[in-house]
Amino acid sequence: SSELTQDPAVSVALGQTVRITCQGDSLRNYYTSWYQQKPGQAPILVIYGKNNRPSGIPDRFSGSSSRNTASLTITGAQAEDEADYYCNSRDSSNNPPVVFGGGTKLTVL
Amino acid sequence: QVQLVESGGGVVQPGGSLRLSCAASGFNFNIYGMHWVRQAPGKGLEWLTFLWYDGSNTHYADSVKGRFTISRDNSKNTLYLQMNSLRAEDTAVYYCAKSSSSDLGDFDYWGQGTLVTVSS
Repeated sequence: SSELTQDPAVSVALGQTVRITCQGDSLRNYYTSWYQQKPGQAPILVIYGKNNRPSGIPDRFSGSSSRNTASLTITGAQAEDEADYYCNSRDSSNNPPVVFGGGTKLTVL
Repeated sequence: QVQLVESGGGVVQPGGSLRLSCAASGFNFNIYGMHWVRQAPGKGLEWLTFLWYDGSNTHYADSVKGRFTISRDNSKNTLYLQMNSLRAEDTAVYYCAKSSSSDLGDFDYWGQGTLVTVSS
């Protein structure tokens, strides 16, 4: 089975730009989606497809991908962006067909 | 608006069974695939299982294959997860999530989760 690797923790100064990365072989073949989870809450989808934001997600969130690495970029991080972020992708091995990264805790200083 | 409401969680002894439900509203339930995902205390998200929009095909993670069964009743807009032979390591918050398509897709909406505790 494939794995998606994320840095456990990242910090960013208020108003600055931060990139959260996700690495895995499956990312060469499939788009990555990104989920934000705040303490005690369910995850919400923030980026999907090539670089799409669901309705209501601020445009400071963007996604990109190169080879086996996907990135979630927050341009001008806000205090309310402090959360755990998980990447997710399909896996061509189909065992399992869906994988999540281990998550990155983002701290906004 | 889309709503997913899980229920059925609770405390169960090791080896026991539990059935979770996920009541869906605000969208055409019978044309979307549905997932179950869990999160152990202090841990990350773990995908468990997926069911196609019409119930025709399923996928399971190895960790639950043979013990958990996903099903749906499109006439009731409800998704289920039958969990048997429960173990301590199954203790987690269980989320149902809507796929963005009829088959495997992004998890575009999530329920609030229901806590399952496996303990003697």
